[in-house]
Amino acid sequence: RKEVEQDPGPFNVPEGATVAFNCTYSNSASQSFFWYRQDCRKEPKLLMSVYSSGNEDGRFTAQLNRASQYISLLIRDSKLSDSATYLCVVNTPNNFNKFYFGSGTKLNVKP
Amino acid sequence: DTGVSQDPRHKITKRGQNVTFRCDPISEHNRLYWYRQTLGQGPEFLTYFQNEAQLEKSRLLSDRFSAERPKGSFSTLEIQRTEQGDSAMYLCASSQAGGIEKFFGPGTRLTVL
Repeated sequence: RKEVEQDPGPFNVPEGATVAFNCTYSNSASQSFFWYRQDCRKEPKLLMSVYSSGNEDGRFTAQLNRASQYISLLIRDSKLSDSATYLCVVNTPNNFNKFYFGSGTKLNVKP
Repeated sequence: DTGVSQDPRHKITKRGQNVTFRCDPISEHNRLYWYRQTLGQGPEFLTYFQNEAQLEKSRLLSDRFSAERPKGSFSTLEIQRTEQGDSAMYLCASSQAGGIEKFFGPGTRLTVL
């Protein structure tokens, strides 16, 4: 079983739509969670960390459900520029230096 | 530009050749990581350094792969006797001691013919 699993998509949504992605992780002892964004043929860039209490950054909201071992990302009022692959990332429980990445969820925002 | 840099950005080589990639981390970062990403997958951890010490290596890092960070600054990743399965994007990242966020470089895209 993979450490982190994501729906690869693609999610094709119109501008202005709200879209949500989920990601599940296998190790219940995982401690740190992130969403990274990766544009085509570019490097991953941190979008936001995911805290136990949930967190919001503008149009983006991330939530963590430890009981069910999943994290989510909600994007409101989608923009064309949101088109990218969104990578779910989990730290190993006893090693903050090692990230496990999901395979990514591709989002296409259409005009 | 004070971000992570990698060189070369693209490398095409024939099977059986050796290749070496270089990564220059953000200057004040003492931790450096190598990841490999194949098409349609997320990056996979290969190895990481704290200063010049290589502290962890993935099982993905076969004996054909070697990484060094001799002075605790830039790092090199060498692949000997390349195979077609080595074709991937090789990403370098760095972070500060105690910092969780990793900053990625633009990657080196390797194609083995």
